[in-house]
Amino acid sequence: DSGVTQTPKHLITATGQRVTLRCSPRSGDLSVYWYQQSLDQGLQFLIQYYNGEERAKGNILERFSAQQFPDLHSELNLSSLELGDSALYFCASSALRTDTGELFFGEGSRLTVL
Amino acid sequence: DQQVKQNSPSLSVQEGRISILNCDYTNSMFDYFLWYKKYPAEGPTFLISISSIKDKNEDGRFTVFLNKSAKHLSLHIVPSQPGDSAVYFCAARRNQFYFGTGTSLTVIP
Repeated sequence: DSGVTQTPKHLITATGQRVTLRCSPRSGDLSVYWYQQSLDQGLQFLIQYYNGEERAKGNILERFSAQQFPDLHSELNLSSLELGDSALYFCASSALRTDTGELFFGEGSRLTVL
Repeated sequence: DQQVKQNSPSLSVQEGRISILNCDYTNSMFDYFLWYKKYPAEGPTFLISISSIKDKNEDGRFTVFLNKSAKHLSLHIVPSQPGDSAVYFCAARRNQFYFGTGTSLTVIP
């Protein structure tokens, strides 16, 4: 158990719809990262938040948005969904300083767009 | 722009032998390199890392080698066990983490 909690684990929806994925980081971790893993693809970095502020942005579509709340949980909002948005979405958290530089991942939210 | 590449999508190794997983990167400014292991239906879990100032780090059966001049990273697993069968991602860090596409390792009993 990494200590990172993601909900929902599975989500099936239709094209054009909007969904929200939720992530609770490990206790004490201020950084939250969102990654997308599509079929046969690696982990594509979407966005990072640190203590409520956006820290870095990756290949995140304009239809997607995220935020980190004062209690440090984060939400990833996906709107106007397309078939190609079907993927595993991972949240990860990290401490400000680590000896190993590692991320701790949740189990992922599997989104299926029909 | 794929800054971290794993060119072998899959690898099969006999139990007890050495598994060598490879990774190449393009950015010389990365400060940490990491390996993650992923089982189906689970999130990636941290395995081992190496700072850019080192060339080798060992943890039990797992050793990571870093060749900065070649911009190449490798993970050695000795001896390989069936439980090591998983997808292995290499990653590099500079402000954010960049991941490779993964190598699926199968250890044959």
